[in-house]
Amino acid sequence: SQQGEEDPQALSIQEGENATMNCSYKTSINNLQWYRQNSGRGLVHLILIRSNEREKHSGRLRVTLDTSKKSSSLLITASRAADTASYFCATRTWDTGRRALTFGSGTRLQVQP
Amino acid sequence: DAGVIQSPRHEVTEMGQEVTLRCKPISGHDYLFWYRQTMMRGLELLIYFNNNVPIDDSGMPEDRFSAKMPNASFSTLKIQPSEPRDSAVYFCASSLSPDRASSGANVLTFGAGSRLTVL
Repeated sequence: SQQGEEDPQALSIQEGENATMNCSYKTSINNLQWYRQNSGRGLVHLILIRSNEREKHSGRLRVTLDTSKKSSSLLITASRAADTASYFCATRTWDTGRRALTFGSGTRLQVQP
Repeated sequence: DAGVIQSPRHEVTEMGQEVTLRCKPISGHDYLFWYRQTMMRGLELLIYFNNNVPIDDSGMPEDRFSAKMPNASFSTLKIQPSEPRDSAVYFCASSLSPDRASSGANVLTFGAGSRLTVL
């Protein structure tokens, strides 16, 4: 099963509204990253939050991390039509030397103009 | 840098044929990853390399899949013989070692992907 599971699977909002996506994971992590994927394209890194951080901002993005609940949320404020994409959380587990990221199943965001 | 470059972008082949996917990582990156994306299974790690050495190939589905990295600027993923269930988008990604990255973590840069259809 996936290390990270996003919720909801799909989200449709109007331009200007905020979009919130959630990610849950199973094991202790070193860091958690969010990526965006436009249709037919590769994934693009958005933001990284370390296990000892609780909140991080980057432009219109706000990420929170709750290690006690093994969950993270990505908030996109004042959404734009160009934010339409799939969003994935990715984790690197803490207890191994494995450098690879495990990706969740993604949230498909549709921003209506 | 032109980013991670993958070829071909699209490949349509018949069952039983050999498929070779190619990847040129970002110059200077220490790690190279091959992922596969399908609707049913999402993004799955197939294999990754560190300094051209395969580190973890536990995600490679079966012996029909093989990957090589003969030098720091080139990697291939080969499927022989191909089957319809191999149809997917295959992504290559590269990253700096966390020790060298300003973020202190593996942040991946993905290629545009190779969409494989096996008939």
